[in-house]
Amino acid sequence: NAGVTQTPKFRVLKTGQSMTLLCAQDMNHEYMYWYRQDPGMGLRLIHYSVGEGTTAKGEVPDGYNVSRLKKQNFLLGLESAAPSQTSVYFCASSYRSQGALKETQYFGPGTRLLVL
Amino acid sequence: RKEVEQDPGPFNVPEGATVAFNCTYSNSASQSFFWYRQDCRKEPKLLMSVYSSGNEDGRFTAQLNRASQYISLLIRDSKLSDSATYLCVVNKAGTGRRALTFGSGTRLQVQP
Repeated sequence: NAGVTQTPKFRVLKTGQSMTLLCAQDMNHEYMYWYRQDPGMGLRLIHYSVGEGTTAKGEVPDGYNVSRLKKQNFLLGLESAAPSQTSVYFCASSYRSQGALKETQYFGPGTRLLVL
Repeated sequence: RKEVEQDPGPFNVPEGATVAFNCTYSNSASQSFFWYRQDCRKEPKLLMSVYSSGNEDGRFTAQLNRASQYISLLIRDSKLSDSATYLCVVNKAGTGRRALTFGSGTRLQVQP
């Protein structure tokens, strides 16, 4: 199993350009997440999905859109990139669990994005 | 106040030392607690879950104090390979959504 994969690994954009980050998982996980990680701030949740065809906002959703057309894929879009979106983006997935949230999130290797 | 607070470190310790990290969380309704490990420029990976009664996994011991809302991680007999950033992670309780809150991490550097 490849686990969670992300493409691209690195990208440089100019302000105003658009791009899509792709996350794929082969573990048949129900839940998928997009985070950004900035120095000194920890990972912050951008959007997440609890199943195919459903998405929801996290704590920092502005400037991003997502889609989950297939269970194994979760796409993160930047319609008009801004320098403030320079960050490392991590995708994660997890099983759906019952009761207390004792679920493990499996992370992809990350995408480093630089917006000039 | 941050939802999850950690001392950023770095903690510089010699091989073989015992080192402990603490983490405090603000949401008293949180029910799930974890320690993740993140190597430089890599993705976070689950180190261990933290259970109410405390739990141990080899050289690693995790403790939870609900009354004081803090979590600890103890590493015994430190190895060079333990050098990494350790993330304290707590579930977002009471929001109706499945999400985790990550601390910004404590950096550990084990010296030869």
